[in-house]
Amino acid sequence: EAQVTQNPRYLITVTGKKLTVTCSQNMNHEYMSWYRQDPGLGLRQIYYSMNVEVTDKGDVPEGYKVSRKEKRNFPLILESPSPNQTSLYFCASSPQGTDWVYNEQFFGPGTRLTVL
Amino acid sequence: AQSVAQPEDQVNVAEGNPLTVKCTYSVSGNPYLFWYVQYPNRGLQFLLKYITGDNLVKGSYGFEAEFNKSQTSFHLKKPSALVSDSALYFCAVRDMRSGGYQKVTFGTGTKLQVIP
Repeated sequence: EAQVTQNPRYLITVTGKKLTVTCSQNMNHEYMSWYRQDPGLGLRQIYYSMNVEVTDKGDVPEGYKVSRKEKRNFPLILESPSPNQTSLYFCASSPQGTDWVYNEQFFGPGTRLTVL
Repeated sequence: AQSVAQPEDQVNVAEGNPLTVKCTYSVSGNPYLFWYVQYPNRGLQFLLKYITGDNLVKGSYGFEAEFNKSQTSFHLKKPSALVSDSALYFCAVRDMRSGGYQKVTFGTGTKLQVIP
């Protein structure tokens, strides 16, 4: 089954304790992206990657890191989490190709993160 | 900078009545517009997208959207609402920056409540 998977689905942690949220897709998509969803703010893009070793900042990159060493994986790293990073996080992917601007994204199920 | 506005936090409609969820956008170049739906405790699912030339776009689950360039709008519509349409709806615009880098901006979301 074509899908985007995220782990963990739920995480409660404490301020300053480094964590990684994994994202993997099995559709051979070049484009991958991370979003956070907060009430009243919708989805905001954190980072995206157009292909292996190619990443760029979205609208809210502060406090986050990403890496894209393999095409299928795009982990989100919080080096020193803070309470304002408590949120619902989504990973998404889409194909590139000639008409990439028209390509919709496929979303993972989400990771609910609480930072105490 | 690109932006998307969804002016209504919530839309209530009676089952069987037509529904409209509003979206306006601002981009510097050509707009590449999408609608996604989020059911409770789920990730986002693609509904439909705007492709240049077709002002009325048909998508999944009987939804359609009307693109209006002069009003910079891309409203989501359905002729007859179902209770199962109750969900959170997001409008999004995809932007191509110089160098081919991409960014996606989402609206804040509109909660659709279909009343039996």
